[in-house]
Amino acid sequence: KAGVTQTPRYLIKTRGQQVTLSCSPISGHRSVSWYQQTPGQGLQFLFEYFSETQRNKGNFPGRFSGRQFSNSRSEMNVSTLELGDSALYLCASSPPDSLHGYTFGSGTRLTVV
Amino acid sequence: AQSVTQLGSHVSVSEGALVLLRCNYSSSVPPYLFWYVQYPNQGLQLLLKYTSAATLVKGINGFEAEFKKSETSFHLTKPSAHMSDAAEYFCAVTPLPQAGTALIFGKGTTLSVSS
Repeated sequence: KAGVTQTPRYLIKTRGQQVTLSCSPISGHRSVSWYQQTPGQGLQFLFEYFSETQRNKGNFPGRFSGRQFSNSRSEMNVSTLELGDSALYLCASSPPDSLHGYTFGSGTRLTVV
Repeated sequence: AQSVTQLGSHVSVSEGALVLLRCNYSSSVPPYLFWYVQYPNQGLQLLLKYTSAATLVKGINGFEAEFKKSETSFHLTKPSAHMSDAAEYFCAVTPLPQAGTALIFGKGTTLSVSS
């Protein structure tokens, strides 16, 4: 079955712009989580959505937001981009029982110039 | 609060040698523990998970890990390294057995394998 699909794979944006990243979870997975990966801070949790509701949020400024659609696809948005937002953004989906673990997509590499 | 410490940011082994990647966790409740592997320019792939069943967990690609509560450790091992094992490895913990709970990751260990 298809894995977690993230689009686009690469993005280059200018400071001050905004960006939207997309994630399509595995069919049947209703939970979608987002993580930011940087060399300095490592992997950090952004937020998690389930049935179109944000259930959990990490310690990121309000410039980072997300949403989930009725088909479980999710988007995250970053407004007023800063150089420090350059990172690999990873999306993960899981079934209701997380004992099966989380399946990650290949990520979107965002570069802010 | 939960946390994960991976000892050694870089481990080098020879092909055929034992692989040992260390992970210690801190958790106020019984944890769920995971090991993930990341190859260059790719996402994270689940190697194995501990979810309070057997303390010795076998994963994919010949990896296994042992949960030791007394040592708060969950070290990853493989008896014989292969060149294809070269990658970055992440240990992660989550305190709750339900979807949506954030994974808390260690800083990662880069494994190099030489011939």
